[in-house]
Amino acid sequence: EDKVVQSPLSLVVHEGDTVTLNCSYEVTNFRSLLWYKQEKKAPTFLFMLTSSGIEKKSGRLSSILDKKELFSILNITATQTGDSAVYLCAVLVGGATNKLIFGTGTLLAVQP
Amino acid sequence: GAGVSQSPRYKVTKRGQDVTLRCDPISSHATLYWYQQALGQGPEFLTYFNYEAQPDKSGLPSDRFSAERPEGSISTLTIQRTEQRDSAMYRCASSSAQLFSTQYFGPGTRLTVL
Repeated sequence: EDKVVQSPLSLVVHEGDTVTLNCSYEVTNFRSLLWYKQEKKAPTFLFMLTSSGIEKKSGRLSSILDKKELFSILNITATQTGDSAVYLCAVLVGGATNKLIFGTGTLLAVQP
Repeated sequence: GAGVSQSPRYKVTKRGQDVTLRCDPISSHATLYWYQQALGQGPEFLTYFNYEAQPDKSGLPSDRFSAERPEGSISTLTIQRTEQRDSAMYRCASSSAQLFSTQYFGPGTRLTVL
């Protein structure tokens, strides 16, 4: 059965800290791995990773994929209170359906 | 439209009633997905459409759940004879027809079955 596991489940940090969120997966027919930020409304897309070892960066956020060890990390540097959210990792599996298999998410709380 | 929209945003119903949820995808997107998200969990796949075709219904939990997209744009998800365990956030996502394209999510419909 396809599975995506995120850790930690929750994390409390202070503004300015750096955090690393983890995502490991076991799936058949891997296509890509995606990170979403979920606040009160829709999950908003952050990154899509398809190739191993190539870091994707957007401002203070960055992510990298290791397809040999089957995991990805999402780094957030100099955290701000606006970074507080649930961060979802999802794996896009191919075949007849390009469906996303989600992890349970990591709840990040950034305190002032 | 500019993004994926869903309606209603909140729905409270009594056990045994039927409900219909609506999704309006990004206008250029061929593919539309429905997910169910329980509290504290990530979204779980229900079904998807490629234009009006529905190639995969494997995630629908029972035959009380059905979805349509008759003209290849707006989609509805109908739950018949609702049960309390159907209470969840129902999310719609859409993507372009390109292979491996990103799915963009709507705000969801929070369904509560009393």
